[in-house]
Amino acid sequence: KQEVTQIPAALSVPEGENLVLNCSFTDSAIYNLQWFRQDPGKGLTSLLLIQSSQREQTSGRLNASLDKSSGRSTLYIAASQPGDSATYLCAVNSGYSTLTFGKGTMLLVSP
Amino acid sequence: DAGVTQSPTHLIKTRGQQVTLRCSPKSGHDTVSWYQQALGQGPQFIFQYYEEEERQRGNFPDRFSGHQFPNYSSELNVNALLLGDSALYLCASSLIQGNGYTFGSGTRLTVV
Repeated sequence: KQEVTQIPAALSVPEGENLVLNCSFTDSAIYNLQWFRQDPGKGLTSLLLIQSSQREQTSGRLNASLDKSSGRSTLYIAASQPGDSATYLCAVNSGYSTLTFGKGTMLLVSP
Repeated sequence: DAGVTQSPTHLIKTRGQQVTLRCSPKSGHDTVSWYQQALGQGPQFIFQYYEEEERQRGNFPDRFSGHQFPNYSSELNVNALLLGDSALYLCASSLIQGNGYTFGSGTRLTVV
């Protein structure tokens, strides 16, 4: 059974800092991995999708990496802004067309 | 291009009642999955529908059932509601290959 862990559970940083969110998964036989953002009480917004054959994906100030063999992914946020404050969720697709989620990292960026 | 649409946005029900939640997938998507998200937790997979049939099911009791219509829209039904069913219910659409999911804004269900 796939299990996904996200560290840290919460993170508070001042505006402008670069930061890294971590995601680990127990079964390396994955199809792809997707990072989402969730604002309080809202749905999920897809940030980046990494296929199992890829090492990283970039979108603007966001960069996600994938090391399938070690069961790890990181989400790097450059030059953080208060608008980045949200919960970030990592989700693994193990090839059965369902997603297994971590509990998320709650990020607070203060002005 | 419309994304995933869920209705209603909020719902309050009494224990023992039944509820129906609705989802319209993103244009071009043929698969609908439902997730339950309790406060402070990651979403948990309930079930997935493709070609109007339940294709996969997570660890949820039979009180949770669903349906997919020919236009790919879907319903989630929950019978005999319990207080523990209070959660945010998320609908996600995709192609059957599962190559990236689009989520709706969710339905907040409160059982009192």
